[in-house]
Amino acid sequence: DVKVTQSSRYLVKRTGEKVFLECVQDMDHENMFWYRQDPGLGLRLIYFSYDVKMKEKGDIPEGYSVSREKKERFSLILESASTNQTSMYLCASSFFLGQGAGANVLTFGAGSRLTVL
Amino acid sequence: QKEVEQDPGPLSVPEGAIVSLNCTYSNSAFQYFMWYRQYSRKGPELLMYTYSSGNKEDGRFTAQVDKSSKYISLFIRDSQPSDSATYLCAMSVVETSGSRLTFGEGTQLTVNP
Repeated sequence: DVKVTQSSRYLVKRTGEKVFLECVQDMDHENMFWYRQDPGLGLRLIYFSYDVKMKEKGDIPEGYSVSREKKERFSLILESASTNQTSMYLCASSFFLGQGAGANVLTFGAGSRLTVL
Repeated sequence: QKEVEQDPGPLSVPEGAIVSLNCTYSNSAFQYFMWYRQYSRKGPELLMYTYSSGNKEDGRFTAQVDKSSKYISLFIRDSQPSDSATYLCAMSVVETSGSRLTFGEGTQLTVNP
């Protein structure tokens, strides 16, 4: 029944390491998103993608990059992890409804909790 | 100032109570309003969404939107221990390439048996 799968639930990395967070959806959704969730700050959009090989910056893209080589897979990359990137990372996907068509209803994965030491 | 403000709680109520969860916002361009529920160690899941102003009811849940006051609410009637979760409001404008959501901080609710 799982529709958005995040490969790692818990990760512990060291400062300066390169980190890959993988997300796969099986609903044939066009849109995919990466958020981070922090106490007191809520969910903040890092990057999103409306199509294969397409990406757009969200509200807090600094220190992150993404890759979308296949429709069902959206990867978040931390080139050089830092302690302030310790957080819960949430992947989500949705259908593309077309211009002005309606609400963008997201389906979320269970999250990946990253700790950077 | 945040675009969407939500009281983080925590909110603790007895079973059977009526719960009111609220968000205020500053962007008058928001047109779609959603409530997500997030259980501990899980991702958020959509509970309800509404378009523009008005009310929407789904079982024990009622969502209200007052665009003139830039205020949205979620009411839970006859609250149950299984309603214990964090509730996040979310809103969006409709852009040419899709709709980006702006989330509130989330309110942590505990319903005590």
